[in-house]
Amino acid sequence: DAGVIQSPRHEVTEMGQEVTLRCKPISGHNSLFWYRQTMMRGLELLIYFNNNVPIDDSGMPEDRFSAKMPNASFSTLKIQPSEPRDSAVYFCASSDGQMSKGAQHFGDGTRLSIL
Amino acid sequence: RKEVEQDPGPFNVPEGATVAFNCTYSNSASQSFFWYRQDCRKEPKLLMSVYSSGNEDGRFTAQLNRASQYISLLIRDSKLSDSATYLCVVNPNSWGKLQFGAGTQVVVTP
Repeated sequence: DAGVIQSPRHEVTEMGQEVTLRCKPISGHNSLFWYRQTMMRGLELLIYFNNNVPIDDSGMPEDRFSAKMPNASFSTLKIQPSEPRDSAVYFCASSDGQMSKGAQHFGDGTRLSIL
Repeated sequence: RKEVEQDPGPFNVPEGATVAFNCTYSNSASQSFFWYRQDCRKEPKLLMSVYSSGNEDGRFTAQLNRASQYISLLIRDSKLSDSATYLCVVNPNSWGKLQFGAGTQVVVTP
């Protein structure tokens, strides 16, 4: 079975550019989570969706970050404009909620470098 | 106080030895518990769920102590491939956000 699929795997871009990260959750999972991980701050939850609806975006650092989930099989995380401090690994995870007691399955991540 | 606290280690373990480590959590009403492992520059992967009665998965044993609000993981007959960071993860309710510990690093040496 396919796991959580993220693209791109790596992204290097100059500050000020728009960055779009993509995620396809596991089929049948109704919750989707975006995380950011850095050495300094560890793993941080940015936003999560339940049944395509954003439930909690309190972890989104600032207005430069936005996330959408137009349907059950696709989500995007956008940074505009990007800054060097946004450099991190961004993970997407999905969960089938109650059925697995909330266990989440992670994609391979997008390694983002803002120059 | 952090919601989930772990000893960061590293725990240096000779190959074949046993290693055990704990984590503590702050929310006494937490519903479910997990151990994840994360290899360097990789995604966290679910290792096992933790059940109230304790549970084993091969060389791995997880225990939950609700009264003292801690979870433990024991690895027997350590392999070089067990070298990783082990994340203690707590679900404070029956849905949604998980609380992640910062991880315990285990290094298995030949």
